Amino acid sequence: GIQVEQSPPDLILQEGANSTLRCNFSDSVNNLQWFHQNPWGQLINLFYIPSGTKQNGRLSATTVATERYSLLYISSSQTTDSGVYFCAVVSGNTPLVFGKGTRLSVIA
Amino acid sequence: KAGVTQTPRYLIKTRGQQVTLSCSPISGHRSVSWYQQTPGQGLQFLFEYFSETQRNKGNFPGRFSGRQFSNSRSEMNVSTLELGDSALYLCASSLMNSGNEQFFGPGTRLTVL
Repeated sequence: GIQVEQSPPDLILQEGANSTLRCNFSDSVNNLQWFHQNPWGQLINLFYIPSGTKQNGRLSATTVATERYSLLYISSSQTTDSGVYFCAVVSGNTPLVFGKGTRLSVIA
Repeated sequence: KAGVTQTPRYLIKTRGQQVTLSCSPISGHRSVSWYQQTPGQGLQFLFEYFSETQRNKGNFPGRFSGRQFSNSRSEMNVSTLELGDSALYLCASSLMNSGNEQFFGPGTRLTVL
């Protein structure tokens, strides 16, 4: 089945810093989503981005489907950005396959 | 539009018991998927339902089962609970299939003692 690798596994930032999270996948995809898991466990949708670039406030994402990777950019990070960020993909008729996540800690 | 809802939010059971979790999808969404999240295994797919039919199933034992009703609401059942079933169970809904954007509920945190 499709493999999803996220890097880095852990990231510690000072408030106000920028960061880039990466998601590599091993096959073509027809769905790619980025999620932020809050402290209570809920997965919050950030982007639905099987290809192209999107922006939402301080967050933006780019997926280069032909090269099988996606990037999530967080600018001017805030303490509320802390948590785990997941990339998840669908290839063909598969269910969502999740990466192991990047744990982000933003320090004031 | 109301989001995906899951009940109960927290549950404590003992080994050998069974449990039923419920998920109501976003209005108009017909596909419901279930995932299990544990610290050791991460997020793993359990099953997907569409129009009351199981469309896809993950690699879990037969103790895990589910169903979907005509109003798209879904339930999952775990029988003969084991300690290792302690996990966060997440439900997701999408319009038609996994290729559409999926939206998750708040989860049910199950503890098996």
